[in-house]
Amino acid sequence: GQQVMQIPQYQHVQEGEDFTTYCNSSTTLSNIQWYKQRPGGHPVFLIQLVKSGEVKKQKRLTFQFGEAKKNSSLHITATQTTDVGTYFCAALSNDYKLSFGAGTTVTVRA
Amino acid sequence: DTGVSQDPRHKITKRGQNVTFRCDPISEHNRLYWYRQTLGQGPEFLTYFQNEAQLEKSRLLSNRFSAERPKGSFSTLEIQRTEQGDSAMYLCASSLETLAGEGEQFFGPGTRLTVL
Repeated sequence: GQQVMQIPQYQHVQEGEDFTTYCNSSTTLSNIQWYKQRPGGHPVFLIQLVKSGEVKKQKRLTFQFGEAKKNSSLHITATQTTDVGTYFCAALSNDYKLSFGAGTTVTVRA
Repeated sequence: DTGVSQDPRHKITKRGQNVTFRCDPISEHNRLYWYRQTLGQGPEFLTYFQNEAQLEKSRLLSNRFSAERPKGSFSTLEIQRTEQGDSAMYLCASSLETLAGEGEQFFGPGTRLTVL
């Protein structure tokens, strides 16, 4: 499947600060999805990006798909303790398989 | 609760034993997926079904693994002659394929397998 790499692997954030996590691929992606997994939980869908340069916002979360459709980013503003968890990007192949990155695990200092 | 359910939630077994997991997807979803997740990694695709047809199996899936989805409803994943390396969280997900394409996948809570 399509390989996606995520950086950083860990993100330690002071409450109230902003941060960005990145998802990169060596090949062009048709579709990128983002999921969040809380500690002890299961992945929960956040967003799907399809168009080149697409930007979508969900409250304090901003998702972007690169112009070349080879990278994506998730930016969180004013981090809260509820943002704790692991954020995965996943590339959807033409035969509908998701290839997940290793995730960025976010911890928040109050 | 109309989400994806999995049973059991935890399974501890001895090496060499067979285990079977069950997944009940969201009722109107036509696609069902199995993933394996180990600590610090994202879910790894194992296999998926469109209705009752198994469309693909990952190369990760040895011949000790088999999955079924009779009648296109619930699915079972069986592991024969378990090995310690099979210890992981096994996740099931379902989705609805529409004319607009593939949408989000809804994950179940997973079955955590420990092989002693």
